[in-house]
Amino acid sequence: SAVISQKPSRDICQRGTSLTIQCQVDSQVTMMFWYRQQPGQSLTLIATANQGSEATYESGFVIDKFPISRPNLTFSTLTVSNMSPEDSSIYLCSVEGRGQTQYFGPGTRLLVL
Amino acid sequence: AQTVTQSQPEMSVQEAETVTLSCTYDTSESDYYLFWYKQPPSRQMILVIRQEAYKQQNATENRFSVNFQKAAKSFSLKISDSQLGDAAMYFCAYTGTSGTYKYIFGTGTRLKVLA
Repeated sequence: SAVISQKPSRDICQRGTSLTIQCQVDSQVTMMFWYRQQPGQSLTLIATANQGSEATYESGFVIDKFPISRPNLTFSTLTVSNMSPEDSSIYLCSVEGRGQTQYFGPGTRLLVL
Repeated sequence: AQTVTQSQPEMSVQEAETVTLSCTYDTSESDYYLFWYKQPPSRQMILVIRQEAYKQQNATENRFSVNFQKAAKSFSLKISDSQLGDAAMYFCAYTGTSGTYKYIFGTGTRLKVLA
């Protein structure tokens, strides 16, 4: 399985500001995924980020709010733009593994005041 | 559209006892993958067990095993000899074989382990 790190691990931000979350994996992967997990809830897929192409966003998520970069096969960033308290969540990245398995990073806990 | 249902929001088990977490799903696909993930409080989501739909044999990983009933579209997780470290949220997940790796998650079951 892959070793995945995320930065920052947590942050407290003011409304109207933006935060960029980094996801680093220790091996080359084609697919990376970004999820949001609101308090006490399940995971919701924000977008799929393939290297060399634009991210594919799920219904309800737009690029202007959640721009994603994928500059190489081991790294991706998710920016949460113009934040509001409703954006307070855990944001997780994951990567593909063998046999359709996903491996998850430790998450970034975001609180927006 | 595929769906995954976990009907038990919370379960409790005594230490050293056995507990079964339920998961049902709906799909029209014949080949797919099912997973159980564990998310301890404030900690990383980790893979517990994985099942390929075309395999008849139920997957096992040490104290964790599944009861996969394809016709009934049921995929329950059995935890034997429960330990305090098993306390966590458990998520059931489904993905097809289209190559997108997109998961559909259930709503989760919170497992409490009582000493």
